[in-house]
Amino acid sequence: TQLLEQSPQFLSIQEGENLTVYCNSSSVFSSLQWYRQEPGEGPVLLVTVVTGGEVKKLKRLTFQFGDARKDSSLHITAAQPGDTGLYLCAGVGAGNMLTFGGGTRLMVKP
Amino acid sequence: GAVVSQHPSWVICKSGTSVKIECRSLDFQATTMFWYRQFPKQSLMLMATSNEGSKATYEQGVEKDKFLINHASLTLSTLTVTSAHPEDSSFYICSARKAGVGNEQFFGPGTRLTVL
Repeated sequence: TQLLEQSPQFLSIQEGENLTVYCNSSSVFSSLQWYRQEPGEGPVLLVTVVTGGEVKKLKRLTFQFGDARKDSSLHITAAQPGDTGLYLCAGVGAGNMLTFGGGTRLMVKP
Repeated sequence: GAVVSQHPSWVICKSGTSVKIECRSLDFQATTMFWYRQFPKQSLMLMATSNEGSKATYEQGVEKDKFLINHASLTLSTLTVTSAHPEDSSFYICSARKAGVGNEQFFGPGTRLTVL
């Protein structure tokens, strides 16, 4: 069974601060995805990283895939209240099945 | 687009009754659909993989006789929670994978089930 550990589980910061969320596994994934989920809604895909060492940017969000394709990070610069939500990483494994990390609940206070 | 809908968005039922949740891919065909369960403040846990025209594949620990899955067409999968109990109260989310195109799963908006 492939497991993904996400940290931190909870994060409460002030508007304008930077933050990093980590997603780690002992298993290798063919790719890794990051989702954001609002309360009472399904997760929405933010990005997919495929190549070891790959870095993708989405406005103030920077996603990095580890060289060995076992870990990933999400960095948010100058967080805003609109960034508040549950961030989930998901490893894509055999059969293109998704294994979700435990999630990071982010609250950005104005 | 790739829109997935779920119906109902929320349901409250009495203990012992059965509840059916529908998952539809609105603008694409999905040979594979997935059912996840999410308890409060937790992540998504895969319950089963539903393949059109064949039996669903259940994850370890998920009772197939309790959670009945039917994927009768390329745009519809249903999950029936039979003899529901309060511990089945959860947020049920489906996702759909486009037929023959890549591996991305498109998620529905979820169904909140509350069993009294």
